[in-house]
Amino acid sequence: EAQVTQNPRYLITVTGKKLTVTCSQNMNHEYMSWYRQDPGLGLRQIYYSMNVEVTDKGDVPEGYKVSRKEKRNFPLILESPSPNQTSLYFCASSPGDSYEQYFGPGTRLTVT
Amino acid sequence: TQLLEQSPQFLSIQEGENLTVYCNSSSVFSSLQWYRQEPGEGPVLLVTVVTGGEVKKLKRLTFQFGDARKDSSLHITAAQPGDTGLYLCAGVGGTSYGKLTFGQGTILTVHP
Repeated sequence: EAQVTQNPRYLITVTGKKLTVTCSQNMNHEYMSWYRQDPGLGLRQIYYSMNVEVTDKGDVPEGYKVSRKEKRNFPLILESPSPNQTSLYFCASSPGDSYEQYFGPGTRLTVT
Repeated sequence: TQLLEQSPQFLSIQEGENLTVYCNSSSVFSSLQWYRQEPGEGPVLLVTVVTGGEVKKLKRLTFQFGDARKDSSLHITAAQPGDTGLYLCAGVGGTSYGKLTFGQGTILTVHP
């Protein structure tokens, strides 16, 4: 089945403890992206990647890191999480120039 | 930072009524996408509009892209309870190739 998978789906952590949210797609898509969703703010793009080894900042990159070493994986790294990074995170991939996003199921992160 | 203003934020209507959701920006986008999201899931693409003035129909849903490619609307005819959900518009490109800007979303509730 064609899909985007994210792990973990739920995570509660403490301020300053490094964490990684994994994202993988099995559709051979060139483009991948990370978003956070907060009430009243819609989806905001954190980082996106047009291809392997190519990443660009979205609108809210501060406090996040990404890497794209292989086409199928695009992990999101929080080196020192803070409570304002408590949010619902979505990974997405896209096949081509249309940038039509196929979203994963989401990761709900709580930082205390 | 590009902005997409989506309105209204909340819409509560009775089954059979018509409704329109608007998405406006001062920026020009190369295309505009509409997504629908249900609780606990990632957004799912409904349609992409690419050409200024374009109108696309998906059963009871009509999508329009403004002539200047800065705004879009989603019109639902004879709404049904199954239309209930969060509707999101997303502008593609603009100042950065591959970047997506989402509106804040419209929460639609259709009562039987």
